[in-house]
This record gives sequence, C-alpha cells and structure tokens, in this order.
Amino acid sequence: GENVEQHPSTLSVQEGDSAVIKCTYSDSASNYFPWYKQELGKRPQLIIDIRSNVGEKKDQRIAVTLNKTAKHFSLHITETQPEDSAVYFCAASLGNTPLVFGKGTRLSVIA
Amino acid sequence: KAGVTQTPRYLIKTRGQQVTLSCSPISGHRSVSWYQQTPGQGLQFLFEYFSETQRNKGNFPGRFSGRQFSNSRSEMNVSTLELGDSALYLCASSSDRYNEKLFFGSGTQLSVL
Repeated sequence: GENVEQHPSTLSVQEGDSAVIKCTYSDSASNYFPWYKQELGKRPQLIIDIRSNVGEKKDQRIAVTLNKTAKHFSLHITETQPEDSAVYFCAASLGNTPLVFGKGTRLSVIA
Repeated sequence: KAGVTQTPRYLIKTRGQQVTLSCSPISGHRSVSWYQQTPGQGLQFLFEYFSETQRNKGNFPGRFSGRQFSNSRSEMNVSTLELGDSALYLCASSSDRYNEKLFFGSGTQLSVL
C-alpha cells in the first residue's frame, strides 16, 4: 500500500522567512495530495491540495509543488507569521482509497 | 452548516473495558472516516463508511469496529481496551465521490489506565 514520508519532523523559522516541508510517496499511481494544518488543540484543516496533472498550485502565501517523476511534493510558506505555527500533515491517495498521512511537521515561527 | 461533531470529547477507561465513540458528519455528507492520532505517529486510518457500508478498512486489530447509520452518523467501538489504545480519535466526513476533501471533528481523547 501507499507510504508517505514527511520531513522535517520539526522546523523553526524566524518571522518573515520562508518554510518548506517535503513529502515523498511510494505508490506512483497516487493522484491526490492534500496538506492539512492542525493548530494546538484543534482539528486538522485542509489548507491546500494538488492533483497529479498539476505541477504547482498557489494560494496567497502558501504553495504546493509536485514532482511525479521523483514521487515527492512540497509545501512552501512565504513571509511566515506567528499564526502559521502548527503541525502540518501531508497526505496522498488514489481515487477511492483512504488518505495516507505523513507523520507531521511541527512548525514554529519565532517572532 | 454545523461542522463534524464528536462525542464525548474526553474519555477515561481502564484496561479490558470497552468504549463507543460517536460522530455526526456535516449535513449532506455521506462518507465518514475514522483516524487514530498519537504523538509522533500522525494519523492512522481505521475505517471508512459510505451509505452504511464499510468501504475501506485500515490495519487495526478486530477489537476496533465501526458502523454507520441511515442518517450517516457513525460510531466506532473498541473492545478489551489496551494501554496502547490511548490516543485522539478523529472522525472526518466528506461529500465528494472519492472521499478526498476531509472535514475533521475535534476528536475524542481516549485515555486508558
């Protein structure tokens, strides 16, 4: 089955800097790659997603890139702010299969 | 629309007991998935229900079971609790055909003593 590896497990950046989180997946047939943000004590929420027919997608300060050949995708956050501090999860799936999540990255934005 | 609602919010049980967790999806959502979240392990998939049928099942022992009712509400049951079952159990609902965009509830924090 699908396996998703996520790195780094923790990441600290200065406010205003950029943050990058990377994930690799094992099943080349996977075609849907979402990212979820979970603030402390709260529920995970979908922040951005990308499909395998798209190489990059942006939404304001966040962007996701996908490299199908290398089977990896990344989350990019620019101009980080304290409210970006959270745990971020990547995931992958194919069609009607369950989302398989990475183990998460704890991002701390230092003011 | 009201979000995904999970009850209870917290549970404390002892080893050997059983527990039932409840999830009410967003109105109109027919798919409900359950995930177990533990520190450092991310979200582990338990099972997914669609129109009262279990559509997918994760790699958990048979002590973990679930069901979905005609109104799409779902319950999961864990029997013969073990210390390692302590975790946050998250329910998520989805309206799309492929159960991709998940809307999570706040979870039930289960502590097994």
